[in-house]
Amino acid sequence: GAGVSQSPSNKVTEKGKDVELRCDPISGHTALYWYRQSLGQGLEFLIYFQGNSAPDKSGLPSDRFSAERTGGSVSTLTIQRTQQEDSAVYLCASSLTLTETQYFGPGTRLLVL
Amino acid sequence: ILNVEQSPQSLHVQEGDSTNFTCSFPSSNFYALHWYRWETAKSPEALFVMTLNGDEKKKGRISATLNTKEGYSYLYIKGSQPEDSATYLCAFGGTSYGKLTFGQGTILTVHP
Repeated sequence: GAGVSQSPSNKVTEKGKDVELRCDPISGHTALYWYRQSLGQGLEFLIYFQGNSAPDKSGLPSDRFSAERTGGSVSTLTIQRTQQEDSAVYLCASSLTLTETQYFGPGTRLLVL
Repeated sequence: ILNVEQSPQSLHVQEGDSTNFTCSFPSSNFYALHWYRWETAKSPEALFVMTLNGDEKKKGRISATLNTKEGYSYLYIKGSQPEDSATYLCAFGGTSYGKLTFGQGTILTVHP
């Protein structure tokens, strides 16, 4: 079946611009996660959504970062006023429930100039 | 801050060699330990999820063990092949379900 998809694959933007990253989870998965990997760093948790519960935003690095999940499916991660340190690979994952295996998408490579 | 450590950071082996690497994690508030394989330009691929102390899982030539009391897991690859070249990540899942804390990964290169 279809896996997790993300768009765009690559994004180059100028410092100060806003960007939106999109994630389409596996159909039927109630949990959706965002992670990022900055250069030389490990994968870092950002936020997750589980069903209709309030999202766990504890990993968002600043208030410039926000995410929403519409209709329990597609999610958008928005970064406002991008900074160079936001350059990273942003990965989305989904799982049947919070305790099941997380399946990852291919990521969006963001470069802020 | 949770500390998940992987060693070695990188490893070069010859085709046919067997190899193993380590993941150490907190032994408290443990729920699950995940292993992923991440090849360049691809999605991280789930290998194993282990929850019970003493768990051993196997998938083809790859196997993993889990010791939750001392907080470590080993990943073994038997008879390495060039296609096994990838970054192997472990991730700690605690009792605050959902968020995974990843190690930095072990980069494996298998030379023909």
